[in-house]
Amino acid sequence: EAQVTQNPRYLITVTGKKLTVTCSQNMNHEYMSWYRQDPGLGLRQIYYSMNVEVTDKGDVPEGYKVSRKEKRNFPLILESPSPNQTSLYFCASSLIPLDTQETQYFGPGTRLLVL
Amino acid sequence: DQQVKQNSPSLSVQEGRISILNCDYTNSMFDYFLWYKKYPAEGPTFLISISSIKDKNEDGRFTVFLNKSAKHLSLHIVPSQPGDSAVYFCAASVGNQFYFGTGTSLTVIP
Repeated sequence: EAQVTQNPRYLITVTGKKLTVTCSQNMNHEYMSWYRQDPGLGLRQIYYSMNVEVTDKGDVPEGYKVSRKEKRNFPLILESPSPNQTSLYFCASSLIPLDTQETQYFGPGTRLLVL
Repeated sequence: DQQVKQNSPSLSVQEGRISILNCDYTNSMFDYFLWYKKYPAEGPTFLISISSIKDKNEDGRFTVFLNKSAKHLSLHIVPSQPGDSAVYFCAASVGNQFYFGTGTSLTVIP
């Protein structure tokens, strides 16, 4: 089954404790991206990657890191989480070029609470 | 600053009638527009898209209209069904970046 998986699905942590949210896709997609969803703000793009070892900042990259060492995986790293990073996070993947009917497939989301 | 806006947080429609969801954008460089549907506890799923060189795209019960001069996008669902009840996000892309609206919660009343 074609899918994007994220782990963990739920996470409660404390300020300053480094964490990683994993994302994996089995569709051989070149493009992968992370978003956060917040009430009243919709989904905002954090980082994206066009292929292995190619990453770029999205709209709200501050406080986050990513890496793309393998095509299927795109982990999101919070080196020193803060309460304002409490949010619902989505990973997505897509074929390239992006302006196709295929567009992005989203994972189920990771709900993060930073105390 | 929000580049893609959905000014109606919610919409209720009777089953069988038309649902019209609206979206406005500010960036004239956007070259592709999309609608996603989201159920609770799930990720968004792609619904329909339109290139900036077109003004209409249809897929079954779903039609997206683009008015570039007004920087306005709309999604029409005809006829609306109870299973269409979800949050709908419009999105726009420029280059490899995507910008989403805040979502409209559609309720289709049986």
